[in-house]
Amino acid sequence: DGGITQSPKYLFRKEGQNVTLSCEQNLNHDAMYWYRQDPGQGLRLIYYSQIVNDFQKGDIAEGYSVSREKKESFPLTVTSAQKNPTAFYLCATNADRSGNVELGYTFGSGTRLTVV
Amino acid sequence: RKEVEQDPGPFNVPEGATVAFNCTYSNSASQSFFWYRQDCRKEPKLLMSVYSSGNEDGRFTAQLNRASQYISLLIRDSKLSDSATYLCVVELYGNKLVFGAGTILRVKS
Repeated sequence: DGGITQSPKYLFRKEGQNVTLSCEQNLNHDAMYWYRQDPGQGLRLIYYSQIVNDFQKGDIAEGYSVSREKKESFPLTVTSAQKNPTAFYLCATNADRSGNVELGYTFGSGTRLTVV
Repeated sequence: RKEVEQDPGPFNVPEGATVAFNCTYSNSASQSFFWYRQDCRKEPKLLMSVYSSGNEDGRFTAQLNRASQYISLLIRDSKLSDSATYLCVVELYGNKLVFGAGTILRVKS
């Protein structure tokens, strides 16, 4: 089955620790996105990548880093510089290979990150 | 003004009721519009795209009013299983989608 796999489902981070969230897709989609969702708020864009070896900052990139070494993979690192990392993190791909968003996005099942 | 605004609700309705949600957006140049459904602690899933002429999918009808920059979603004959958060989503710029904070629907028996 084609889809987007995010892991782990739940992640606990200690203060000052970096953690990496995995996002893998076998849909052969070019564009991938990372969003953060906080209770009562809309999804906010952290980073996105429209092609391998290239990525762009979204609206709330501070304290996060990404890489796009392979088409299938777009891992997100939450660094110690991110002061309020507890949130639900969602990875998405754009179904349209031309880069248009007419078909919307497909989401992975998300990772819940909690700072302990 | 927020880029995409929705009434957060919650909308509490009995089974069988008709309920409507509205959403306003800030960029008059937006071309693509969607409604997503998000169940508690799950990822958003595409419910339907919204077209200028309006479109219907079973009990769900979506409308777009470009002049007033708002989108609506109408749900007829509500089911218990319709209980969820409904996200209004708009392409604002650069082929990126912006998500509203969502409207909570609770359908009760």
